[in-house]
Amino acid sequence: GAVVSQHPSRVICKSGTSVKIECRSLDFQATTMFWYRQFPKKSLMLMATSNEGSKATYEQGVEKDKFLINHASLTLSTLTVTSAHPEDSSFYICSASSEVTEAFFGQGTRLTVV
Amino acid sequence: AQSVTQLDSHVSVSEGTPVLLRCNYSSSYSPSLFWYVQHPNKGLQLLLKYTSAATLVKGINGFEAEFKKSETSFHLTKPSAHMSDAAEYFCVVSEQKGQGGKLIFGQGTELSVKP
Repeated sequence: GAVVSQHPSRVICKSGTSVKIECRSLDFQATTMFWYRQFPKKSLMLMATSNEGSKATYEQGVEKDKFLINHASLTLSTLTVTSAHPEDSSFYICSASSEVTEAFFGQGTRLTVV
Repeated sequence: AQSVTQLDSHVSVSEGTPVLLRCNYSSSYSPSLFWYVQHPNKGLQLLLKYTSAATLVKGINGFEAEFKKSETSFHLTKPSAHMSDAAEYFCVVSEQKGQGGKLIFGQGTELSVKP
Protein backbone atom coordinates (compact mmCIF):
# COMPACT_ATOMS: atom_id res chain seq x y z
CA GLY A 1 0.00 0.00 0.00
CA ALA A 2 0.89 3.65 -0.19
CA VAL A 3 3.26 5.15 2.34
CA VAL A 4 2.59 8.17 4.50
CA SER A 5 5.50 9.40 6.56
CA GLN A 6 4.95 11.47 9.67
CA HIS A 7 7.79 13.26 11.42
CA PRO A 8 8.82 13.47 14.18
CA SER A 9 7.56 10.33 15.84
CA ARG A 10 8.14 11.77 19.27
CA VAL A 11 8.77 15.31 20.49
CA ILE A 12 9.11 16.97 23.86
CA CYS A 13 8.82 20.74 24.05
CA LYS A 14 8.63 23.43 26.68
CA SER A 15 5.37 25.13 27.49
CA GLY A 16 4.89 28.24 25.38
CA THR A 17 6.91 27.06 22.41
CA SER A 18 5.60 25.92 19.01
CA VAL A 19 5.99 22.52 17.45
CA LYS A 20 5.66 21.57 13.79
CA ILE A 21 4.64 18.09 12.66
CA GLU A 22 5.07 17.02 9.04
CA CYS A 23 3.00 14.57 7.06
CA ARG A 24 4.25 13.40 3.68
CA SER A 25 2.73 11.10 1.11
CA LEU A 26 5.75 9.35 -0.37
CA ASP A 27 4.38 7.62 -3.42
CA PHE A 28 1.11 9.29 -4.37
CA GLN A 29 -0.37 12.74 -4.64
CA ALA A 30 -2.62 13.43 -1.70
CA THR A 31 -5.40 15.83 -2.59
CA THR A 32 -6.72 15.63 0.95
CA MET A 33 -4.98 15.24 4.27
CA PHE A 34 -6.60 14.79 7.64
CA TRP A 35 -5.23 15.52 11.10
CA TYR A 36 -6.42 13.54 14.11
CA ARG A 37 -5.77 13.71 17.81
CA GLN A 38 -5.91 10.67 20.02
CA PHE A 39 -6.09 10.71 23.80
CA PRO A 40 -4.92 7.68 25.80
CA LYS A 41 -7.26 4.73 25.49
CA LYS A 42 -9.53 6.76 23.23
CA SER A 43 -10.54 6.83 19.61
CA LEU A 44 -9.25 9.23 16.99
CA MET A 45 -10.79 12.69 16.96
CA LEU A 46 -10.71 14.48 13.63
CA MET A 47 -9.23 17.95 14.04
CA ALA A 48 -9.21 19.27 10.52
CA THR A 49 -9.30 18.45 6.84
CA SER A 50 -6.89 20.11 4.47
CA ASN A 51 -6.99 20.24 0.71
CA GLU A 52 -3.94 21.22 -1.29
CA GLY A 53 -3.79 24.92 -1.96
CA SER A 54 -6.74 25.92 0.17
CA LYS A 55 -7.48 26.69 3.80
CA ALA A 56 -8.08 23.83 6.17
CA THR A 57 -11.55 23.04 7.43
CA TYR A 58 -11.56 22.68 11.18
CA GLU A 59 -13.94 20.56 13.21
CA GLN A 60 -16.10 22.19 15.81
CA GLY A 61 -14.21 23.02 18.97
CA VAL A 62 -10.76 22.94 17.39
CA GLU A 63 -8.92 26.27 17.65
CA LYS A 64 -7.58 27.13 14.22
CA ASP A 65 -5.21 29.76 15.58
CA LYS A 66 -3.67 27.22 17.89
CA PHE A 67 -3.43 24.34 15.46
CA LEU A 68 -2.12 25.81 12.22
CA ILE A 69 -2.41 23.57 9.21
CA ASN A 70 -0.67 24.13 5.92
CA HIS A 71 -1.07 21.95 2.84
CA ALA A 72 1.28 23.63 0.44
CA SER A 73 1.81 20.76 -1.96
CA LEU A 74 0.22 17.47 -2.98
CA THR A 75 2.71 15.55 -0.88
CA LEU A 76 3.13 17.62 2.26
CA SER A 77 0.91 18.92 5.03
CA THR A 78 2.10 20.39 8.30
CA LEU A 79 0.44 20.85 11.67
CA THR A 80 1.92 23.49 13.95
CA VAL A 81 0.88 23.51 17.58
CA THR A 82 1.43 27.12 18.64
CA SER A 83 2.16 28.23 22.19
CA ALA A 84 1.90 24.66 23.38
CA HIS A 85 0.63 23.85 26.86
CA PRO A 86 0.64 20.60 28.82
CA GLU A 87 -2.99 19.95 27.88
CA ASP A 88 -1.89 19.80 24.23
CA SER A 89 0.13 16.69 25.01
CA SER A 90 -1.33 13.93 22.92
CA PHE A 91 -0.82 11.53 20.04
CA TYR A 92 -1.34 13.26 16.69
CA ILE A 93 -1.95 11.23 13.53
CA CYS A 94 -2.24 12.35 9.94
CA SER A 95 -3.78 10.57 7.01
CA ALA A 96 -3.61 11.23 3.31
CA SER A 97 -5.93 10.26 0.51
CA SER A 98 -6.66 11.00 -3.10
CA GLU A 99 -9.83 10.78 -5.14
CA VAL A 100 -9.07 7.18 -6.01
CA THR A 101 -7.45 5.79 -2.87
CA GLU A 102 -8.52 5.15 0.64
CA ALA A 103 -6.84 7.04 3.47
CA PHE A 104 -3.35 5.98 4.49
CA PHE A 105 -2.13 6.86 7.94
CA GLY A 106 1.15 8.17 9.23
CA GLN A 107 2.92 6.55 12.14
CA GLY A 108 1.76 9.23 14.56
CA THR A 109 3.57 11.81 16.67
CA ARG A 110 3.68 11.65 20.44
CA LEU A 111 3.80 15.25 21.71
CA THR A 112 4.72 15.92 25.31
CA VAL A 113 4.63 19.50 26.58
CA VAL A 114 6.52 20.07 29.82
CA ALA B 1 -24.97 11.81 9.10
CA GLN B 2 -22.98 8.66 9.33
CA SER B 3 -21.87 6.98 12.52
CA VAL B 4 -20.34 3.76 13.70
CA THR B 5 -20.73 1.96 17.01
CA GLN B 6 -18.37 -0.67 18.33
CA LEU B 7 -20.37 -2.70 20.76
CA ASP B 8 -17.51 -3.85 23.00
CA SER B 9 -14.81 -1.63 24.46
CA HIS B 10 -12.76 -4.66 25.46
CA VAL B 11 -12.67 -8.27 24.27
CA SER B 12 -10.52 -10.98 25.81
CA VAL B 13 -9.91 -14.36 24.16
CA SER B 14 -7.53 -17.26 24.59
CA GLU B 15 -4.88 -17.95 22.01
CA GLY B 16 -6.21 -20.29 19.32
CA THR B 17 -9.88 -19.42 19.90
CA PRO B 18 -12.09 -17.37 17.55
CA VAL B 19 -12.23 -13.60 17.62
CA LEU B 20 -15.40 -11.55 17.12
CA LEU B 21 -15.32 -7.76 17.24
CA ARG B 22 -18.71 -6.19 16.67
CA CYS B 23 -19.52 -3.06 14.71
CA ASN B 24 -22.79 -1.46 13.68
CA TYR B 25 -23.03 1.50 11.33
CA SER B 26 -25.50 4.13 10.35
CA SER B 27 -25.43 5.59 6.86
CA SER B 28 -27.83 7.34 4.52
CA TYR B 29 -26.34 5.63 1.49
CA SER B 30 -24.15 2.66 0.70
CA PRO B 31 -21.13 3.19 2.88
CA SER B 32 -17.48 2.36 2.59
CA LEU B 33 -16.43 0.53 5.74
CA PHE B 34 -13.01 -0.26 7.10
CA TRP B 35 -11.32 -2.03 9.98
CA TYR B 36 -8.01 -0.65 11.24
CA VAL B 37 -5.66 -2.05 13.86
CA GLN B 38 -3.43 0.03 16.10
CA HIS B 39 -0.62 -1.33 18.24
CA PRO B 40 0.50 0.76 21.23
CA ASN B 41 2.02 4.12 20.25
CA LYS B 42 1.81 3.22 16.59
CA GLY B 43 -0.12 4.46 13.60
CA LEU B 44 -3.05 2.66 12.06
CA GLN B 45 -2.84 -0.30 9.74
CA LEU B 46 -5.68 -1.17 7.39
CA LEU B 47 -6.95 -4.71 7.95
CA LEU B 48 -9.68 -4.74 5.33
CA LYS B 49 -12.24 -2.60 3.55
CA TYR B 50 -15.71 -2.94 2.08
CA THR B 51 -16.62 -0.79 -0.91
CA SER B 52 -19.84 -2.30 -2.29
CA ALA B 53 -18.26 -5.33 -3.94
CA ALA B 54 -18.36 -8.74 -2.23
CA THR B 55 -20.09 -8.65 1.14
CA LEU B 56 -17.56 -11.02 2.70
CA VAL B 57 -14.27 -9.22 2.79
CA LYS B 58 -10.99 -10.94 3.51
CA GLY B 59 -8.15 -8.94 4.98
CA ILE B 60 -4.65 -9.39 6.21
CA ASN B 61 -3.49 -11.69 9.02
CA GLY B 62 -6.47 -14.01 8.63
CA PHE B 63 -9.12 -11.43 9.49
CA GLU B 64 -12.37 -11.10 7.61
CA ALA B 65 -15.59 -9.14 7.93
CA GLU B 66 -19.07 -9.51 6.54
CA PHE B 67 -21.19 -6.58 5.44
CA LYS B 68 -24.82 -7.20 6.39
CA LYS B 69 -27.05 -4.43 5.16
CA SER B 70 -30.18 -5.82 6.83
CA GLU B 71 -28.45 -5.73 10.21
CA THR B 72 -26.32 -2.63 9.46
CA SER B 73 -23.36 -4.59 10.78
CA PHE B 74 -19.76 -5.10 9.77
CA HIS B 75 -18.34 -7.48 12.38
CA LEU B 76 -14.69 -8.49 12.30
CA THR B 77 -13.76 -12.13 12.80
CA LYS B 78 -10.75 -14.38 12.88
CA PRO B 79 -10.92 -18.18 13.33
CA SER B 80 -7.92 -18.48 15.63
CA ALA B 81 -6.40 -15.70 17.70
CA HIS B 82 -2.66 -15.22 17.94
CA MET B 83 -0.79 -13.41 20.69
CA SER B 84 0.32 -10.79 18.15
CA ASP B 85 -3.32 -9.88 17.51
CA ALA B 86 -3.52 -8.09 20.85
CA ALA B 87 -4.13 -4.45 19.90
CA GLU B 88 -6.79 -1.77 19.51
CA TYR B 89 -9.21 -2.21 16.64
CA PHE B 90 -11.26 0.52 15.01
CA CYS B 91 -14.31 0.17 12.81
CA VAL B 92 -14.52 3.11 10.44
CA VAL B 93 -17.07 4.46 7.97
CA SER B 94 -16.31 6.87 5.18
CA GLU B 95 -18.48 9.96 5.28
CA GLN B 96 -18.47 10.55 1.59
CA LYS B 97 -19.24 8.22 -1.22
CA GLY B 98 -16.09 6.53 -2.44
CA GLN B 99 -12.90 5.94 -0.59
CA GLY B 100 -11.18 9.25 -0.12
CA GLY B 101 -13.64 11.04 2.13
CA LYS B 102 -13.61 11.94 5.78
CA LEU B 103 -13.48 8.94 8.08
CA ILE B 104 -15.71 8.48 11.09
CA PHE B 105 -14.13 6.29 13.76
CA GLY B 106 -15.80 3.97 16.20
CA GLN B 107 -14.79 4.12 19.83
CA GLY B 108 -12.37 1.26 19.46
CA THR B 109 -12.20 -2.27 20.88
CA GLU B 110 -9.19 -3.42 22.81
CA LEU B 111 -8.42 -7.05 22.09
CA SER B 112 -6.50 -9.03 24.68
CA VAL B 113 -5.17 -12.50 23.90
CA LYS B 114 -4.38 -14.84 26.78
CA PRO B 115 -1.82 -17.63 26.42
